[in-house]
Amino acid sequence: DSGVTQTPKHLITATGQRVTLRCSPRSGDLSVYWYQQSLDQGLQFLIQYYNGEERAKGNILERFSAQQFPDLHSELNLSSLELGDSALYFCASSVEPAGAYNEQFFGPGTRLTVL
Amino acid sequence: EDQVTQSPEALRLQEGESSSLNCSYTVSGLRGLFWYRQDPGKGPEFLFTLYSAGEEKEKERLKATLTKKESFLHITAPKPEDSATYLCAVGTRSGNTPLVFGKGTRLSVIA
Repeated sequence: DSGVTQTPKHLITATGQRVTLRCSPRSGDLSVYWYQQSLDQGLQFLIQYYNGEERAKGNILERFSAQQFPDLHSELNLSSLELGDSALYFCASSVEPAGAYNEQFFGPGTRLTVL
Repeated sequence: EDQVTQSPEALRLQEGESSSLNCSYTVSGLRGLFWYRQDPGKGPEFLFTLYSAGEEKEKERLKATLTKKESFLHITAPKPEDSATYLCAVGTRSGNTPLVFGKGTRLSVIA
């Protein structure tokens, strides 16, 4: 158990809908990262927050947005969902802001299925 | 563009048959190289961090090594419970992505 929690575990929804994925980092970690993992693409970095501020942005679609709250939990919002958004979404956390230097600890993931 | 390539894509070993997984990288300014283990449908589990060429880290049957161009994950006398996908990731100074992941090596250890 990494100490990172994610809810829900599974989400099934329809095209065009909007969903929110939630993540609580390990105690003491200030950085939160979001990743998407699909069978053909591997783990793709979406976005990072550090202590409430956006720190780094990867290939995140405009239909997706995220935020980190004062209690450090983070939410990833996915809107106008398409079939291709079906994937595993992982949250990770680390103590330091420099994600390139420090190990990240991953949550159990949310499996999103868009029908 | 930073790239991480893992080989082989899949590896099947008999229990006790030692082998190595490869992670080669092309990056502008390595900050750290990370190994993770991932079981099906689960989140990646952190194994090792390596920072400089020549560095080695060990944990049970696993040993990770690093050169200037690649890293190896050596598995000594593997057991069926070592079956998983092993992911390599590099942290670089370029671009906006803190970590770039390889696609992984899927290891199966047969009793």
